[in-house]
Amino acid sequence: DAKTTQPTSMDCAEGRAANLPCNHSTISGNEYVYWYRQIHSQGPQYIIHGLKNNETNEMASLIITEDRKSSTLILPHATLRDTAVYYCIGHPSGSARQLTFGSGTQLTVLP
Amino acid sequence: NAGVTQTPKFRILKIGQSMTLQCAQDMNHNYMYWYRQDPGMGLKLIYYSVGAGITDKGEVPNGYNVSRSTTEDFPLRLELAAPSQTSVYFCASSSGLGGLYEQYFGPGTRLTVT
Repeated sequence: DAKTTQPTSMDCAEGRAANLPCNHSTISGNEYVYWYRQIHSQGPQYIIHGLKNNETNEMASLIITEDRKSSTLILPHATLRDTAVYYCIGHPSGSARQLTFGSGTQLTVLP
Repeated sequence: NAGVTQTPKFRILKIGQSMTLQCAQDMNHNYMYWYRQDPGMGLKLIYYSVGAGITDKGEVPNGYNVSRSTTEDFPLRLELAAPSQTSVYFCASSSGLGGLYEQYFGPGTRLTVT
């Protein structure tokens, strides 16, 4: 899996957009970028994934740069319940093996 | 649709005792996984299964056993519990449809071995 680099922590004001960056400069052509989050004491939660196009679902948007070396997860209107550790993971298509969780970004949404 | 369920939520074991952590999913997913997460650390894979009757070791399998007799269930067995097995255990599943393996996690079992 590609090595990913994320900031250790970020703050965001409630109601504002939270933009979480991830660097994955060694990502290979068949690796998707997955984002998960883990709210304290809960199991990780899948958010979104993408290969090279930008993606949006009901939870978030994923912007992947054209060279695929970095991406940004956007939570458009952060709420206090979005406070969690966010993980960016590179994972090859067609691989059933485990996800490799790094240290992630602790996002704190402030009232 | 309950997703991935795990029982028990909490358990305290004495050293040398055994127990089975239960995991079930109702999404008809072929792939299931067991992870452990030590305090302040990332998840480490213990075992995984690509379908009923097929299991394989992950990164940290020692001290654990699994079985997969049905698509729905993937129990994790701890034999001769040790303090090093104090951790939070997460079960996950994925469909593998389209070659994509987004994983859906259960709420976890918090195990303390004393």
